[in-house]
Amino acid sequence: DAGVTQSPTHLIKTRGQQVTLRCSPKSGHDTVSWYQQALGQGPQFIFQYYEEEERQRGNFPDRFSGHQFPNYSSELNVNALLLGDSALYLCASSFGVQSNQPQHFGDGTRLSIL
Amino acid sequence: DAKTTQPTSMDCAEGRAANLPCNHSTISGNEYVYWYRQIHSQGPQYIIHGLKNNETNEMASLIITEDRKSSTLILPHATLRDTAVYYCIVRFMNYGGATNKLIFGTGTLLAVQP
Repeated sequence: DAGVTQSPTHLIKTRGQQVTLRCSPKSGHDTVSWYQQALGQGPQFIFQYYEEEERQRGNFPDRFSGHQFPNYSSELNVNALLLGDSALYLCASSFGVQSNQPQHFGDGTRLSIL
Repeated sequence: DAKTTQPTSMDCAEGRAANLPCNHSTISGNEYVYWYRQIHSQGPQYIIHGLKNNETNEMASLIITEDRKSSTLILPHATLRDTAVYYCIVRFMNYGGATNKLIFGTGTLLAVQP
């Protein structure tokens, strides 16, 4: 049973560029959440997708956008990259948005901005 | 969501029980307590969660005080592989809406010593 998979594992971009990160949820899960984790900090919630719609959003600018596909996989897009966007980007999946069942995380994409 | 307070770091001898405390004095009746851990360079790993009863699974035990204002995660026989940052999170369950996000603090760095 595959867990949450993310690609790529590492990525290097320069300021001003755009990036797309991908996530495949754990089998049986239909909800995907994205988190940003800066070095030495806990993960911060970016947004959550369910039924191909953004359901919740954290305190992140519009440069951060996402998409969920019919097969429940998801993409995170970041435009006009800033040095401060360098971080580990984590995807988590779960079943349903109104469930107390836990979210399961992938190992993330390490994004470095030069 | 209620705020949690955890010690910054703790040590534990290999083979002994590791007891990780968490204070959540403002927790409300609808909030669950979740524990995750993050080993270096990996995504957070779900450990256990509970509402008001003590819980046990193959990884750990969760003890929640009767007033629910604090909890303790117990790893019964710590090994070197349990060295990680442990996060205690309280999550509001509003069954009328989508409130599935997790709010992470900075966690407790548990160092298991040989």
